[in-house]
Amino acid sequence: DADVTQTPRNRITKTGKRIMLECSQTKGHDRMYWYRQDPGLGLRLIYYSFDVKDINKGEISDGYSVSRQAQAKFSLSLESAIPNQTALYFCATSEVAGRRTDTQYFGPGTRLTVL
Amino acid sequence: AQSVTQLGSHVSVSEGALVLLRCNYSSSVPPYLFWYVQYPNQGLQLLLKYTTGATLVKGINGFEAEFKKSETSFHLTKPSAHMSDAAEYFCAVISNTGNQFYFGTGTSLTVIP
Repeated sequence: DADVTQTPRNRITKTGKRIMLECSQTKGHDRMYWYRQDPGLGLRLIYYSFDVKDINKGEISDGYSVSRQAQAKFSLSLESAIPNQTALYFCATSEVAGRRTDTQYFGPGTRLTVL
Repeated sequence: AQSVTQLGSHVSVSEGALVLLRCNYSSSVPPYLFWYVQYPNQGLQLLLKYTTGATLVKGINGFEAEFKKSETSFHLTKPSAHMSDAAEYFCAVISNTGNQFYFGTGTSLTVIP
């Protein structure tokens, strides 16, 4: 079984709808991340969490919210989806070396289309 | 601020030829540097990383990268390209705070038979 799973894998929705993307991990890592990938822009960080009580905004958090329900679960919500949120979304977990984030492990991605 | 720059958004090589993907970084602290590969319709997988120690780092699938502090570079190489190497490659650096990754914009590698 995959260490980092994301559901759904594909989603098509309409402008204004609320959408939740879910991520679960079995790696036992405390640190979890949400990214979006757009062609030519690489991966950009939306939110990250170091434990269930620690949530931090990333580079592009506007229009998104997150919930860390447990160490193993980290959900991303789009409260009112808009077309420019059409993208590939990745969840990741990371190891820690000292206090420093180390290797990240990625889920398979969720392809979201907002019409 | 930390960042990585990948020179060349698309690189094409012939099968059996040398693969060279370029990455330059900026960091005000000793960097942790990574190369990830993304195959079509998949997530990112770690190829290799540099944290401390030996500056020539070997990774999976025959790839290696050399950390050159004087040139602020971490270029990825493979002596002989294989068709299965066709993918998107991302260079990344960890932030000075040690909390976040900063990814480059990616290089798409095409291998020509």
